[in-house]
Order: sequence, then structure tokens, then C-alpha cells
Amino acid sequence: QVQLQESGPGLVKPSGTLSLTCAVSGDSISSSNWWSWVRQPPGKGLEWIGEIYHSGSTNYNPSLKSRVSMSVDKSKNQFSLKLSSVTAADTAVYYCARVVAVAGRANWFDPWGQGTLVTVSS
Amino acid sequence: DIQMTQSPSSLSASVGDRVTITCRASQSISRYLNWYQQKAGKAPKLLIYAAASLQSGVPSRFSGSGSGTDFTLTISSLQPEDFATYYCQQSYSTPMTFGQGTKVEIK
Repeated sequence: QVQLQESGPGLVKPSGTLSLTCAVSGDSISSSNWWSWVRQPPGKGLEWIGEIYHSGSTNYNPSLKSRVSMSVDKSKNQFSLKLSSVTAADTAVYYCARVVAVAGRANWFDPWGQGTLVTVSS
Repeated sequence: DIQMTQSPSSLSASVGDRVTITCRASQSISRYLNWYQQKAGKAPKLLIYAAASLQSGVPSRFSGSGSGTDFTLTISSLQPEDFATYYCQQSYSTPMTFGQGTKVEIK
């Protein structure tokens, strides 16, 4: 059974950097899947942040691209997210998820981590 | 970006009702459309992938259909555990985008 678990500070100061890690169990970070981050502001919908492959290849949402970086740690079977210059608008529940890709553009998020709330406030 | 629009934004239904949720894409996305269920305080859960394929373990009362720009999620007989918010998501192109959600409430 594949499980993902997010971890990181729940409070970040404005203009600071949000840093989260997603630990993967039941699957290898070096498998043929991509690994993704999705966020959800309180009471709102879902926003895709980006994804990373074990090779280090990434795809980011253009709306966040200038502030986002992702990395993989194969030795720990985990991947990470950094979001810089945060503001209150970045307050959200952050989810990590495996991107299951069968062929071409057919891919989906499964499973998801439980999510972690990050609040941006001084 | 491809815009995904769900309708309705919310609905009230009774146990046993047939429920249909619609998702429309701003351009053709073939069948690259997935559906998720999210209960309050929980992570989304995959229900349907590639427009019509039922994820393993998901009850058969859930079904998906459509292609191109118009898609539907149908719950054939609503059960108490189905009251939740449902999201569609396209994987045709990045950035991957979600609909705004449809909240299914108890009548």
C-alpha cells in the first residue's frame, strides 16, 4: 500500500520560504511515476503546483514558477517543495501526491498525502 | 491554461437519488479527465480516471462519461457516505487544472 506523508513548518513569515517534504512508503521514488504537489486555500479549490521525476526533471505551474523549486532525495525516498517570497495568499493545505502515468497524457493523482496546513503570518 | 467549469457548484439530494455532475473544459481534452471525491478535512480520493475508468475499490454506483469538452460524473444511487465535494481535473496539458468543485449535500 502506497502512502505519502507531508512534513514541515505550519507557520511561515511573510517574505520567507515555505519548505515541505513528502515521505513515500510502499513505492520507490525512482519508479516510473512523477511526484506532485497540490495546494488548497481554506474553503477553496485545488491548485496544481508542480511535479518532479526521480531524474530531477520538473514541471511547474507558470503562475508559481518564479518562486517554486522541487527536489528528490532518493536515499530517503522522499521529495521536497520550496516556495519563496510567500504572502498570506500562499496560506493553504499542501498535499503531495503520486502522479500515475499510463501513457501519453493519461495521468492522475493517486494516492494523496493527508495534507498539511501552512499559514503565512507574522 | 485550460479552464475547467463544473456545474452545479452545489446540490442537495436524498439518499437513493441519482446525481449527475457536469464538467466542461475550455478546449478539447480528449478523454484526459479525472474525478476526485473530497470529504471535509480529508485529502481528495481518486474515483474515475481517463473519463470513464473506475478506480479499484470505488463502488460501481460511480460512473464517468464524456470526451472532448463535456464530461459527467454520475452516482446512480446516492449513499450517506457520498456526501462530499467532487472535483474534475484535466491532464491533457500543463498546468494541470481542476474544476471549482461541486458540493453534494443532504436534502
